[in-house]
Amino acid sequence: TQLLEQSPQFLSIQEGENLTVYCNSSSVFSSLQWYRQEPGEGPVLLVTVVTGGEVKKLKRLTFQFGDARKDSSLHITAAQPGDTGLYLCAGDDGWGKLQFGAGTQVVVTP
Amino acid sequence: DTGVSQDPRHKITKRGQNVTFRCDPISEHNRLYWYRQTLGQGPEFLTYFQNEAQLEKSRLLSDRFSAERPKGSFSTLEIQRTEQGDSAMYLCASSSGGGAEAFFGQGTRLTVV
Repeated sequence: TQLLEQSPQFLSIQEGENLTVYCNSSSVFSSLQWYRQEPGEGPVLLVTVVTGGEVKKLKRLTFQFGDARKDSSLHITAAQPGDTGLYLCAGDDGWGKLQFGAGTQVVVTP
Repeated sequence: DTGVSQDPRHKITKRGQNVTFRCDPISEHNRLYWYRQTLGQGPEFLTYFQNEAQLEKSRLLSDRFSAERPKGSFSTLEIQRTEQGDSAMYLCASSSGGGAEAFFGQGTRLTVV
């Protein structure tokens, strides 16, 4: 059972379009991490957000942590085929143990 | 340091056999975590170590599973009497402490036939 809900489960867009992925929970986390995972590989850390209301930018990716530290969003501007992957959010309970969502599969076609 | 390393990358075994996986964390990291990921799901926590001490085990970790980190460096995860339901990706991660960012290895894909 995933306590972190990610939506949508699947997203297919054309190159150049924008997209937003959501991560919601009823629990408060000390921090929240976003990972991207390729098939057959382990998750690769993209960003960690810690402070409620925090916004972090990583090139074309914008991450936001909700004011109450229960939800987060990932926005990709002008998506490229290289952005294709499974995007996972994970809440940290403060002791380093991560609670993951089920992920959003993003497919960007040329 | 090249990051977290897991071995083997793939393992196919017959039901009832025992398997062991190894994880080498980032050298200065004292925390080591094991997760399991099944198709269509995010990783689920199994257990973690602070140095050589195993601090928490998930209820997912049945009696057939055992993990060790004898010298506080590499760790092994053993599954005895494997079942088809054990088929999954087993992921190892390490961090420099509680609340610090965790970095994952490439995982070991287990298939039980």
